[in-house]
Amino acid sequence: EDKVVQSPLSLVVHEGDTVTLNCSYEVTNFRSLLWYKQEKKAPTFLFMLTSSGIEKKSGRLSSILDKKELFSILNITATQTGDSAIYLCAVDKQGAQKLVFGQGTRLTINP
Amino acid sequence: DTAVSQTPKYLVTQMGNDKSIKCEQNLGHDTMYWYKQDSKKFLKIMFSYNNKELIINETVPNRFSPKSPDKAHLNLHINSLELGDSAVYFCASSPRTGPAGELFFGEGSRLTVL
Repeated sequence: EDKVVQSPLSLVVHEGDTVTLNCSYEVTNFRSLLWYKQEKKAPTFLFMLTSSGIEKKSGRLSSILDKKELFSILNITATQTGDSAIYLCAVDKQGAQKLVFGQGTRLTINP
Repeated sequence: DTAVSQTPKYLVTQMGNDKSIKCEQNLGHDTMYWYKQDSKKFLKIMFSYNNKELIINETVPNRFSPKSPDKAHLNLHINSLELGDSAVYFCASSPRTGPAGELFFGEGSRLTVL
């Protein structure tokens, strides 16, 4: 059965800290891995990763995929209170036309 | 203009009732989905439609019946509601016909069954 596991489930840090969120997966016919941020309502897209070792960056957020070890990390530097959210990792499978989601990491940034 | 919009945003109802949630997207996407997010925030696929045609029905009880009158709309009707149906239901759309890729989510419809 396909599995996407995120860790930690919950993380509380102070503003300015750097955090690393983890996502490991066991799926057949992997195509890509995606990261989403969910604040109060709709998850919003952050990154899509298809190739190993190539970092994707957007401002203070960056992410990288390791297809050999089957995991991805999402880094956030100089965290701000607005980064507080649930971060969701999902895997897209070849021929499946659906995303398999992990259970999310709830990140809380305290001022 | 909201890209993926769902109504209603909140729904409180009694066990045994029937209810519907509507979804519309104005992005011109061919593929639409219903996802269920439980109290532990786990998002699970329920249905996927591509240009009005059902593609995925992910072991959902047949009390749940999706309907897509056209490719911009995907509605969800639920019969004989049960306590375990309480969740947030998200509609989403994707620009891709093949891989799911980047999904655009609606704001969710929070269903509470009493």
